This record gives sequence, C-alpha cells and structure tokens, in this order.
Amino acid sequence: QSALTQPPSASGSPGQSVTISCTGTSSDVGGYNYVSWYQQHPGKAPKLMIYEVTKRPSGVPDRFFGSKSGNTASLTVSGLQAEDEADYYCSSYAGSNNLVFGGGTKLTVL
Amino acid sequence: QVQLVQSGAEVKKPGASVKVSCKASGYTFTSYYMHWVRQAPGQGLAWMGIISPSGGSTSYAQKFQGRVTMTRDTSTSTVYMELSSLRSEDTAVYYCAREGGGSSRWHFDYWGQGTLVTVSS
Repeated sequence: QSALTQPPSASGSPGQSVTISCTGTSSDVGGYNYVSWYQQHPGKAPKLMIYEVTKRPSGVPDRFFGSKSGNTASLTVSGLQAEDEADYYCSSYAGSNNLVFGGGTKLTVL
Repeated sequence: QVQLVQSGAEVKKPGASVKVSCKASGYTFTSYYMHWVRQAPGQGLAWMGIISPSGGSTSYAQKFQGRVTMTRDTSTSTVYMELSSLRSEDTAVYYCAREGGGSSRWHFDYWGQGTLVTVSS
C-alpha cells in the first residue's frame, strides 16, 4: 500500500489561509469517505482535526475545513495563527481493513 | 476521561522482540477498535494494524505481516503490540490509538503518549 501524497511543506502569514492537499487513488481517498487529518506538534502525539472528510471533532476550531474531490482530499486552515504551526498528516481507509497515511506536511506560520 | 497509557521506553538488540502495552480507561474497552501507529525519528506516521478488543480479531499492514502480533486482555483493558525480528529500521515511537466509535470509523480520537523503541547493538 503506497503512502498518500502530501506536499512536504506549506506556509502562510498570520490571518491568511493555507490549503494542504492529500492525493491518493480510487482505492483509498477516492473510494471512501474515511479521510482524516491530524495535527502533530514536536514531541507530541497526533491530534485529530478532521474525520470523515469534513467533520470536526468537538473543540477543533472552525478555521479548519476538510474537503475532497476525486482522489484528492484537502485541509484548509483559515485565519492562520501561530499555534497552527505543526506537522499535518492525512489518512484514508484503503479497503480490506487497511489504512494509509500521507507523508506529512510541515506548516509554517511566517 | 478517556486515557491510553503506554508502557515505557525499550532498548532492544537486533533480532529480538519487543512487546508494548496500552492500558485504556475512561470508556468501555470492548466497544472501540484499537490501532497501532509508529513514527520513526524525523519521519511520518505509519499504520501497523487494528485489533478488536471485544473479539480479538486483527488485521495487519502488509509491511508488518509475519512480524507483528496484536493481542488484548479484557480483564485489564489493555492491548499489546509485539514486534519480532527487530532491526535498526524499527527504531521508532509506537502509538496506540483508539478508533472513533459506532459507524464513525477509521479515525483516531484518542492517542497514547507513545513508546520509544530503540533497536541497537
């Protein structure tokens, strides 16, 4: 199972919006609505930010928005804040009780 | 409150096995699938597999098939991940992660604190 493709880095200034992409295939991202996004700060465990493509867990700011088109999912962070600087990982169900992660994107708030 | 507490750091020699535990509390243990995810130093997340705490059934990522075994003990609400034939590339932080419940699947709402496994001769 190949990892989902994410850009290694993304950046934006405070207050701006940034979008991170996550590209898979019709066997994972395109085939199921089980795409999730995780935020990870250095030395910490990942934190769930988006699940089932668009849903936000309780406590996650509505500045975080998930979407999907075809085989590509996206995470948009609007109104960037300093604390948004972190690594972001997407994941997708890939059928047959398998899950695959993206390679991760380092988000820098300039 | 939901807590997943993992066992402490391990140092192992190549060829050895390691068994990491993850003790769950604050919810009904048998009602939520548990997964294991690892992260090598400076690298991304890698899914290892899933275990059903109720029946004990498992599914492993192809990369780890034959080397990983996930088990659970319902009497102590603990899941275990054992990885055998360790090599230096297995040096990583290993996380247990609880899957969202009910029909809401394949995402992880709670994570353990991570267990560093170092493989070195």
